Amino acid sequence: DAKTTQPNSMESNEEEPVHLPCNHSTISGTDYIHWYRQLPSQGPEYVIHGLTSNVNNRMASLAIAEDRKSSTLILHRATLRDAAVYYCILSLLNKLVFGAGTILRVKS
Amino acid sequence: NAGVTQTPKFQVLKTGQSMTLQCAQDMNHEYMSWYRQDPGMGLRLIHYSVGAGITDQGEVPNGYNVSRSTTEDFPLRLLSAAPSQTSVYFCASSYGRTGPHYGYTFGSGTRLTVV
Repeated sequence: DAKTTQPNSMESNEEEPVHLPCNHSTISGTDYIHWYRQLPSQGPEYVIHGLTSNVNNRMASLAIAEDRKSSTLILHRATLRDAAVYYCILSLLNKLVFGAGTILRVKS
Repeated sequence: NAGVTQTPKFQVLKTGQSMTLQCAQDMNHEYMSWYRQDPGMGLRLIHYSVGAGITDQGEVPNGYNVSRSTTEDFPLRLLSAAPSQTSVYFCASSYGRTGPHYGYTFGSGTRLTVV
């Protein structure tokens, strides 16, 4: 399975945008890029996913590099409720393979 | 909608005991799966199903059995519990048989301790 590389942790100020990077240099042409987040003591929550084009939804935006070897999750205005572990995952067919993720801390 | 419901939320087992973790979804999702999460780690796939009557192994299937007799339910059975199975278990479902082409909905988890 293709691997992803994310920073262990990041810090942001409340009300400011957050850019969470993810490298996936071994991505294959049919791998989807998924982002999930997990708040303490909760199950993962779907954030966004995409294949080639940038994607937007009510929670976030996903910017995918032209060569697809990296992507960035963008939270437009961080709130304290956005503090969580964010997982960047490549998926093929029937599997999501989770890595360690990025711990996002949001300061008030 | 209830989404994905897991029961029980907490369970303590003795080594060698068996039990079934329940997972039910009311979204008519074809794809369902089970993950385990050990402290400080990401989730690892145990088993998954792309529809009633169809199951397959994930990354860490040993010690676990599954079956899928209905679209709604996907129970996970621990045959003979071992301390190494102490973990938090998450059930997830998704629309369509190729689950990762759509977003997953996760349950709130079952925290299992084997003593």
